[in-house]
Amino acid sequence: KNQVEQSPQSLIILEGKNCTLQCNYTVSPFSNLRWYKQDTGRGPVSLTIMTFSENTKSNGRYTATLDADTKQSSLHITASQLSDSASYICVVSPVASNYQLIWGAGTKLIIKP
Amino acid sequence: DGGITQSPKYLFRKEGQNVTLSCEQNLNHDAMYWYRQDPGQGLRLIYYSQIVNDFQKGDIAEGYSVSREKKESFPLTVTSAQKNPTAFYLCASSIFGGPNTEAFFGQGTRLTVV
Repeated sequence: KNQVEQSPQSLIILEGKNCTLQCNYTVSPFSNLRWYKQDTGRGPVSLTIMTFSENTKSNGRYTATLDADTKQSSLHITASQLSDSASYICVVSPVASNYQLIWGAGTKLIIKP
Repeated sequence: DGGITQSPKYLFRKEGQNVTLSCEQNLNHDAMYWYRQDPGQGLRLIYYSQIVNDFQKGDIAEGYSVSREKKESFPLTVTSAQKNPTAFYLCASSIFGGPNTEAFFGQGTRLTVV
């Protein structure tokens, strides 16, 4: 069964600190892996999209990495800001399906001043 | 100002009632989607549409219906047959369908059964 598991479920860090969020998936083969940021009560916003052949992708202070061999991805946030408080969701697109996206449950990140 | 707009932001439904959630986009996107989000779970696909007058069931279509009479609009009706409708509903659109296209989301509608 295609699954995407994220850890930790929630995380609290101090403003200015770095953090890394993890995503493990069983989807294979897959065409791409995405990270979304979702503010409370809002729609998700795309941060990065990586194809199966890419190892890393950056978007400002956000850097996503992908290890297709171990089926793991991580999202590293550098010099966190209060506005980074949100849920971060990992999403994997199976090759076999045109429209199906496998969504993780997300990691809820809280930045404290 | 381009984007995807969902309305209303909050919706309350009595048991046994049908309600319709609105989704409009002015991005000229061909594909549109409806997702349901429950606490602690990933998004689940309800319905999607690749083109006007055509739509396909997603993973959890039971108790829901949609229409796609115009390219810009993809309303979702939550019928009385949906036994647990309380959730956060998200509409999305993309240039064309397929796993490698970027999807843009609306701000969501929170539906509560009272």
